[in-house]
Amino acid sequence: AQSVSQHNHHVILSEAASLELGCNYSYGGTVNLFWYVQYPGQHLQLLLKYFSGDPLVKGIKGFEAEFIKSKFSFNLRKPSVQWSDTAEYFCAVSGNNDMRFGAGTRLTVKP
Amino acid sequence: NAGVMQNPRHLVRRRGQEARLRCSPMKGHSHVYWYRQLPEEGLKFMVYLQKENIIDESGMPKERFSAEFPKEGPSILRIQQVVRGDSAAYFCASSPGTHQGGTIYFGEGSWLTVV
Repeated sequence: AQSVSQHNHHVILSEAASLELGCNYSYGGTVNLFWYVQYPGQHLQLLLKYFSGDPLVKGIKGFEAEFIKSKFSFNLRKPSVQWSDTAEYFCAVSGNNDMRFGAGTRLTVKP
Repeated sequence: NAGVMQNPRHLVRRRGQEARLRCSPMKGHSHVYWYRQLPEEGLKFMVYLQKENIIDESGMPKERFSAEFPKEGPSILRIQQVVRGDSAAYFCASSPGTHQGGTIYFGEGSWLTVV
């Protein structure tokens, strides 16, 4: 069965700091990978997705993620966070009519 | 503590039939969200419900789709007169209340195939 691990439960950063949120998955076949963000009081939004091709994926709002197949990882990065990036971030993996979400990482950015 | 339970996991319907998808939130959660994932796309918000109340249905198609979350029992997403384009995975999530930065939990999804 597929599983997704987000190791950081809560990350606190100051503005302008760099961000990297870890996501590791367990699955034997071809996968599609996603990062979603949920801002306080809002619904889930898609940040970026990887289906195939260039393993470095650029998303909205300056986020990017790198698919490293050998490490089963799809870490989310942003070089310089802003206070408005405070939100919950979810990694998800889909494949073979199955989709799993990580437990989420809460990011708090201090102004 | 059981997680968010969705059933059925897989559902096949012929065009014109009705599909009912159920979502039982986590114990103690009074808010439910439904999302749809079309092939090759990310999740799209459909509706946000509190018990006996629809908070936001801005993502629901205007026709054939409805959702409810009664005082007792699971939340139901109902699709009438299904068409092939309704084939998708439907995900439910629940939270204890207005989210303040998290504590939202997802079900494993219901895959609808319209033939």
